[in-house]
Amino acid sequence: EADIYQTPRYLVIGTGKKITLECSQTMGHDKMYWYQQDPGMELHLIHYSYGVNSTEKGDLSSESTVSRIRTEHFPLTLESARPSHTSQYLCASKQGAYNEQFFGPGTRLTVL
Amino acid sequence: QKEVEQNSGPLSVPEGAIASLNCTYSDRVSQSFFWYRQYSGKSPELIMSIYSNGDKEDGRFTAQLNKASQYVSLLIRDSQPSDSATYLCAVTNAGGTSYGKLTFGQGTILTVHP
Repeated sequence: EADIYQTPRYLVIGTGKKITLECSQTMGHDKMYWYQQDPGMELHLIHYSYGVNSTEKGDLSSESTVSRIRTEHFPLTLESARPSHTSQYLCASKQGAYNEQFFGPGTRLTVL
Repeated sequence: QKEVEQNSGPLSVPEGAIASLNCTYSDRVSQSFFWYRQYSGKSPELIMSIYSNGDKEDGRFTAQLNKASQYVSLLIRDSQPSDSATYLCAVTNAGGTSYGKLTFGQGTILTVHP
């Protein structure tokens, strides 16, 4: 069973606030990913990391930023939240290129 | 053409029947293939992985891979109402700037009715 955690699980916040979504995994996986998914819609990759100090933008442009200072931790930050950022954010991790990828429980963000 | 395409849904089957979910992919050198189940409002849950041609069985689930036809499928035997969910096919990209990243299909909604 995968051990990947996301906090908070639900967040309701006002426009203009700075937020950080936390993602941690205890499996020592080198690769970590952030996806964005609206209800009933497809998954979109917004950021990924192949290891410490490695971050890349994904297929969907996002105003968020990420960092990877420790192997187990991959936080996502929005400097100024807007209603258009309302979505579910999913963190995932895996070891190596072709192995199984596991998802965290997700953070549902609502920006008023 | 999308890189990973799943059969259009929604798919509705009676309880106890076999549900068949299909997926085709365009990257001929893809190395690994996965099926995820996603309940409404939840995160995707890995249910099957397959790496070589043929069938792989796990309980009521059977994944089938045919690399020559670039086709992967998932069969769910003895379908239960609890199997009602969206099923996502995912394929690992083999090279270039997308190396190691998963490409997901659009998902197939499965409903199992009593």
